[in-house]
Amino acid sequence: TQLLEQSPQFLSIQEGENLTVYCNSSSVFSSLQWYRQEPGEGPVLLVTVVTGGEVKKLKRLTFQFGDARKDSSLHITAAQPGDTGLYLCAGEYGNKLVFGAGTILRVKS
Amino acid sequence: GEEVAQTPKHLVRGEGQKAKLYCAPIKGHSYVFWYQQVLKNEFKFLISFQNENVFDETGMPKERFSAKCLPNSPCSLEIQATKLEDSAVYFCASSQSFGSSPGELFFGEGSRLTVL
Repeated sequence: TQLLEQSPQFLSIQEGENLTVYCNSSSVFSSLQWYRQEPGEGPVLLVTVVTGGEVKKLKRLTFQFGDARKDSSLHITAAQPGDTGLYLCAGEYGNKLVFGAGTILRVKS
Repeated sequence: GEEVAQTPKHLVRGEGQKAKLYCAPIKGHSYVFWYQQVLKNEFKFLISFQNENVFDETGMPKERFSAKCLPNSPCSLEIQATKLEDSAVYFCASSQSFGSSPGELFFGEGSRLTVL
């Protein structure tokens, strides 16, 4: 079983639509991170959320950390084709960073 | 260097052959992580190092996989007697900090291993 459960696994939407990706766990994390991976490349960090209830915005992307620090969400407003990619949530667990299974986002123009 | 450098980009091996992958972390980064990404896009943690010391190896299939990070040398991940299921992209990442403060992992472009 995955320590971090991500949903949905796959999302195909039209340009201009909004979407939310969820990352849930039964464990408490001191922080959670969101990465984005494009084909042929390694993941790149988008944001780190540290405080329960925290909300961070990165242009059209809004990240939220749950009050109990067990879950996080990524909301994209007015998605664009350039947002296409694999979105991964990750959290420190012991001496390693564990990843969710990822959400493949495809934005059609 | 300013980025994580992984070599080779592609590696093809026959089943049972050895495969060795290399990773040069960003200069000044103390932590190195190896991940295996298979077709379902899941990142499976393999092993991490703090400088040349193993930090966490709970993800390593110990029978055939080994890894090292020696001073003044690229880190390496070696697979003895490869199996078809080892076919994947292997990513290396480095980080300046980990644990006490949430550090950012910087990833290389990955090494694609194909076992035939």
